[in-house]
Amino acid sequence: AQRVTQPEKLLSVFKGAPVELKCNYSYSGSPELFWYVQYSRQRLQLLLRHISRESIKGFTADLNKGETSFHLKKPFAQEEDSAMYYCALSKDNAGNMLTFGGGTRLMVKP
Amino acid sequence: DAMVIQNPRYQVTQFGKPVTLSCSQTLNHNVMYWYQQKSSQAPKLLFHYYDKDFNNEADTPDNFQSRRPNTSFCFLDIRSPGLGDAAMYLCATSGLAAYNEQFFGPGTRLTVL
Repeated sequence: AQRVTQPEKLLSVFKGAPVELKCNYSYSGSPELFWYVQYSRQRLQLLLRHISRESIKGFTADLNKGETSFHLKKPFAQEEDSAMYYCALSKDNAGNMLTFGGGTRLMVKP
Repeated sequence: DAMVIQNPRYQVTQFGKPVTLSCSQTLNHNVMYWYQQKSSQAPKLLFHYYDKDFNNEADTPDNFQSRRPNTSFCFLDIRSPGLGDAAMYLCATSGLAAYNEQFFGPGTRLTVL
């Protein structure tokens, strides 16, 4: 069975500091991975997906199949990045049937 | 704006009293999902519909049922809510293309007394 682990419940950094939100997964097949974000009083929304190799709001994530990781990184954190971040794995390439990690709350202090 | 709407936002029910949560979408998406999210936990997929085709997750209790009468609406029925069913219930939709984004509703917070 697939599993997604986010080892940190809370990550607190100062504005301008680098950020790395960790995500590890276990899945026997070839997974598709996503990061979803939930800002305060807003709904859960897609931040970025592995397949797109994109950078959104300065965030990037690299899939490391050897380490089964998909860590989310940003070189300089902004206060508006404060939110709940969820790593998610899809068993198919349609992005369906997501398995979410437990989430990491990022707090960016001024 | 096209979106995913959930009603009600807050629902209180009594132990054992059936309850129905509602989700509607204006995105015309083929796929609709129901997730359960307990406090400080990950959203957990309960089931999803590909159009009218219902797909239940293996570990979803029989107490949870779903109906999708048309493309726009999907309902979550909890036949006999227990205290352990208190949670946030999230509805989401997506299209059929590869690597799809899921669009989430605001959720319904269920309290069981």
